[in-house]
Amino acid sequence: ETGVTQTPRHLVMGMTNKKSLKCEQHLGHNAMYWYKQSAKKPLELMFVYNFKEQTENNSVPSRFSPECPNSSHLFLHLHTLQPEDSALYLCASSRGVDNEQYFGPGTRLTVT
Amino acid sequence: AQSVTQPDIHITVSEGASLELRCNYSYGATPYLFWYVQSPGQGLQLLLKYFSGDTLVQGIKGFEAEFKRSQSSFNLRKPSVHWSDAAEYFCAVGALDSGAGSYQLTFGKGTKLSVIP
Repeated sequence: ETGVTQTPRHLVMGMTNKKSLKCEQHLGHNAMYWYKQSAKKPLELMFVYNFKEQTENNSVPSRFSPECPNSSHLFLHLHTLQPEDSALYLCASSRGVDNEQYFGPGTRLTVT
Repeated sequence: AQSVTQPDIHITVSEGASLELRCNYSYGATPYLFWYVQSPGQGLQLLLKYFSGDTLVQGIKGFEAEFKRSQSSFNLRKPSVHWSDAAEYFCAVGALDSGAGSYQLTFGKGTKLSVIP
C-alpha cells in the first residue's frame, strides 16, 4: 500500500465510449502524474500536475483529457479511444517534481 | 536529454543465489537515481534512491545499489534472492531535461527476474 489509489482497477470500453480513471493520493504530495505502460515499451509519461497546475503534456492525443481539481485527486477522461490505447495506466505522486514518485496499482484498460 | 539502459531483458537465478541487475545512464551531470520493482498486475514500488552522499545505498527487502560515477552505472544487488523477489525491476534517472526545460524522470525498459526454487 503506497498511499496512492486508483479506480477502477480494470476497464473494458468500446471505441465510442467515454470513461474516466480516478487517482487519489493520501500522502500530502503536491505533484501528480499519469503514465502509460504498454507491453515491451518503457514507461511513458503523459501528464504532470504540480500544485494543481498542468506542467507537462508529452504530446498526448486529445482523446486523453486530464483533470486535477485539487492536489489529492487526479482524473484521466477518455473518449473515442483506439485499440492501441490498451495499456496499464499508472498514477503517481511526489512531494515535489524532483522528489521520488510513489505509484498506484494502475488501471488495466482494454479498448475493444 | 537523459537516457537509461538496462542491458538484461530477462534474468533467471536460483533461490538463495546472489543477484546483480545492471543499469547505465547517460546524463551530463550526476542525476537522481532510483530502482523500482513491479509485481504482475501491480504498480511500481520504490526500492531505493540515490540523491547524493554515500554511493552505496540500502533499500527495502534487502536490496542495495551502488552509484559509480566513472561507469555511469547504478547496479542493484541482493546477496540472497528469495522466490518472492520474482518481478520486473526498473531503473530510473531523474534529471533536468534541457530540451523540456523541466525535471524529468526517465525509466529503463526493465529487467524481468525469474527465481528457480
